[in-house]
Amino acid sequence: AQSVTQLDSQVPVFEEAPVELRCNYSSSVSVYLFWYVQYPNQGLQLLLKYLSGSTLVESINGFEAEFNKSQTSFHLRKPSVHISDTAEYFCAVLLWYGGSQGNLIFGKGTKLSVKP
Amino acid sequence: GAVVSQHPSRVICKSGTSVKIECRSLDFQATTMFWYRQFPKKSLMLMATSNEGSKATYEQGVEKDKFLINHASLTLSTLTVTSAHPEDSSFYICSARDSSLLAGGPSSYEQYFGPGTRLTVT
Repeated sequence: AQSVTQLDSQVPVFEEAPVELRCNYSSSVSVYLFWYVQYPNQGLQLLLKYLSGSTLVESINGFEAEFNKSQTSFHLRKPSVHISDTAEYFCAVLLWYGGSQGNLIFGKGTKLSVKP
Repeated sequence: GAVVSQHPSRVICKSGTSVKIECRSLDFQATTMFWYRQFPKKSLMLMATSNEGSKATYEQGVEKDKFLINHASLTLSTLTVTSAHPEDSSFYICSARDSSLLAGGPSSYEQYFGPGTRLTVT
């Protein structure tokens, strides 16, 4: 079965500490990967995505994620977090069936809480 | 670019009444839009896929007569919660795909999300 697993529902960290939010997927078809961020009472914003090319992708605010096909993972990392990074983070996987057929599925989310 | 708006952002209605939520793509055309529901501390649950000019496709377990979806133009989809009850209280989020990318590959499946609508039924 196709699925997306975010192993941690909550991740508390102190400001300026590094963080890793884990995402694993299970799929029998090609996948393309996304991380979305949701700030309180807001919709989702695309943080970064992997469609092709380099397996290491970066966002403008210091996050990065690496597509690891052998480990079926797309973990999100930041070397030094800020209070403003406090939010819910969703990993999403596009299952690509080819011929312009795809299905986007979401993980259950990880709440990142950055403490001073 | 790729901005999606939702209106209203918050709505409170009485049990038994109906409420309409609008989702608009502001700077692109969207033949396909999606409606999600998000419960507290939970992920997004896809409710239905809205297709311009045709009937919406509902996910299993979603009542099509209760959650009416209309996608009458390339930039507007509406979700009407009919005869609302307190258990319908939730955060409703829409998203849209850019029609100009439909001929492409996976990038055409990127979804642009609206800011969400908080519905409270009293």
